[in-house]
Amino acid sequence: EDQVTQSPEALRLQEGESSSLNCSYTVSGLRGLFWYRQDPGKGPEFLFTLYSAGEEKEKERLKATLTKKESFLHITAPKPEDSATYLCAVQVPTNDMRFGAGTRLTVKP
Amino acid sequence: DTAVSQTPKYLVTQMGNDKSIKCEQNLGHDTMYWYKQDSKKFLKIMFSYNNKELIINETVPNRFSPKSPDKAHLNLHINSLELGDSAVYFCASSQVQGSPLHFGNGTRLTVT
Repeated sequence: EDQVTQSPEALRLQEGESSSLNCSYTVSGLRGLFWYRQDPGKGPEFLFTLYSAGEEKEKERLKATLTKKESFLHITAPKPEDSATYLCAVQVPTNDMRFGAGTRLTVKP
Repeated sequence: DTAVSQTPKYLVTQMGNDKSIKCEQNLGHDTMYWYKQDSKKFLKIMFSYNNKELIINETVPNRFSPKSPDKAHLNLHINSLELGDSAVYFCASSQVQGSPLHFGNGTRLTVT
């Protein structure tokens, strides 16, 4: 069965303290891996798509990487405005998106 | 210039009632979706529509029915509401099936 597991569930960082979020998946025939950011009371907002192992994408303080079994979202020198829930989703052969439960990130000033 | 808008934002109703949630997208996308986010924050797909044809229907009770009057709208009708239907429901759209999703801001449904 296709599964997406994100860790940790919650992460608290000091401003400037870099860290990584993990998304591990078991999918037969991965078509793409997506990262989204969700703020409280809002819908998820698209960040990145990764399609093949070794691929990397960057946007401001965020960098996403992909291997055959997992993806990492690296956050460099985070700021309080980076606080949000980060969701990982995998696209399966039926083109459906399977979401993980998310990592709730809090960045303290 | 809201891309995906859904109404209402909050919906409080009693068990057994019938309710609808509306969704509209102005992105010109071909595919629209309904997702349910439960208390544990898992987003689970309920339906998707591509050119007014239902293409995904997960194991959702038939009390839930999507209605698409045109490519820009996908409404969700729920009959005989139950306590377990309480959740946040998100509408989304994508250019084609499998491309990044654009979400609305959700409708928090509370069934009492």
